[in-house]
Parts: sequence; C-alpha cells; structure tokens
Amino acid sequence: GDSVTQMEGPVTLSEEAFLTINCTYTATGYPSLFWYVQYPGEGLQLLLKATKADDKGSNKGFEATYRKETTSFHLEKGSVQVSDSAVYFCALTPVTNAGKSTFGDGTTLTVKP
Amino acid sequence: EAGVTQFPSHSVIEKGQTVTLRCDPISGHDNLYWYRRVMGKEIKFLLHFVKESKQDESGMPNNRFLAERTGGTYSTLKVQPAELEDSGVYFCASSQTTGAEAFFGQGTRLTVV
Repeated sequence: GDSVTQMEGPVTLSEEAFLTINCTYTATGYPSLFWYVQYPGEGLQLLLKATKADDKGSNKGFEATYRKETTSFHLEKGSVQVSDSAVYFCALTPVTNAGKSTFGDGTTLTVKP
Repeated sequence: EAGVTQFPSHSVIEKGQTVTLRCDPISGHDNLYWYRRVMGKEIKFLLHFVKESKQDESGMPNNRFLAERTGGTYSTLKVQPAELEDSGVYFCASSQTTGAEAFFGQGTRLTVV
C-alpha cells in the first residue's frame, strides 16, 4: 500500500536558518503530494501541493518539488521565522480519491529567536 | 464561508465510558472523512462518507467505533467503550467531490484515562 516516510523530529532552528524536512513516498501510479501544517491550537492547513512530476509547490516562502525519480517531496525554506514553529505533515493522495490521504508521522519544528 | 468545525475541541473520559465526536463539514460538501493521530504518530484514515453512505470504512480500527452521517450533513463518531489506546487527535475533513481538495477541521483531542 501507499506510505509516506518523513524526517524524524523534533527540529530546532534559530531564526533565519535554512530549513529542510525530508519526505519520501511509496505509491502506485501518480499520486498528488502535499505538505500540511498544524500551528499550536489550530487545525491542519494545506501549506502547498504538487500534482505531477517536477511540479514545484510554494507558499509563505516554503517550497517543495515533486521528484518522481527519487520519490521525494522535501520541504524547504530559506529563512525560518519564530512564527513557523508548528508540526509539518507530508502526505499523498491517490488520483482517484483526493480526500483519502496517507500521511507521514509529522515533524515538529521549533524556531528560536 | 465557515470551515470544517469539530466538537468538542477536547474531551477527557474514563476507560469504559462512551464519547461522541461531531464534525460539521463545509456546506455543500458531499464527501466527509475521519482521520486520527494516535501517540504522535502518523495521521491515519478511518473512513469516508459520500453524503450519508459509507464509501470506505477500511481504516476503522474495531467495532467499538461507530460513524454516522444521517441526512448527509454533519457526522458523528462514537467510541463505545473507550480504551486507553483510543487517545489521540481525531480530525475530520470534507471535500466537494472525491477529486477535489479536502479541508480539515481543527481536530478533537481525546484523552482516555
């Protein structure tokens, strides 16, 4: 079945540091790939997505590129802020049912001033 | 437009008791999904409704869990009797069609003591 393997956390960075959270997946066909974020006390929010190979999703300074050859969708941000502290989830959905997602374990990011 | 709303936000119950979680999807969304995150692990799919019908309940862990969506609007997830391992965060999501993006609620944190 489908699976998502996400970089283990927690991750602690200083403000303005570079962020990478690794994500690799196993799936049949050509799934869509997502990064979700959960800020403290809030629900899951879609951060960015990519629906086909070589697509780059971007939002709020975060980027991730759909790499089919390495089955990866690593999340990056050039300069993190304290407000980026949250739990980040990598996920995939099959083409046939975009609501039935497979998630990674989540990575907790703490950014210190 | 209101987003996906879940009640309660937190619930603490004793082992053996019954708890009912509620999800109000975005108005007009036929698809409703339940997920849960247990012990800080990955978010796992539980089941999928299309209107009032259960489309896929392959993720339901056992028969102590009962989901309903009478009338195809809001949904309830009942756990009876609750066990310690049921503690976690229960998320609901909804989408207009099965191919459309799903929007998540803020989750219900369930603690069984």
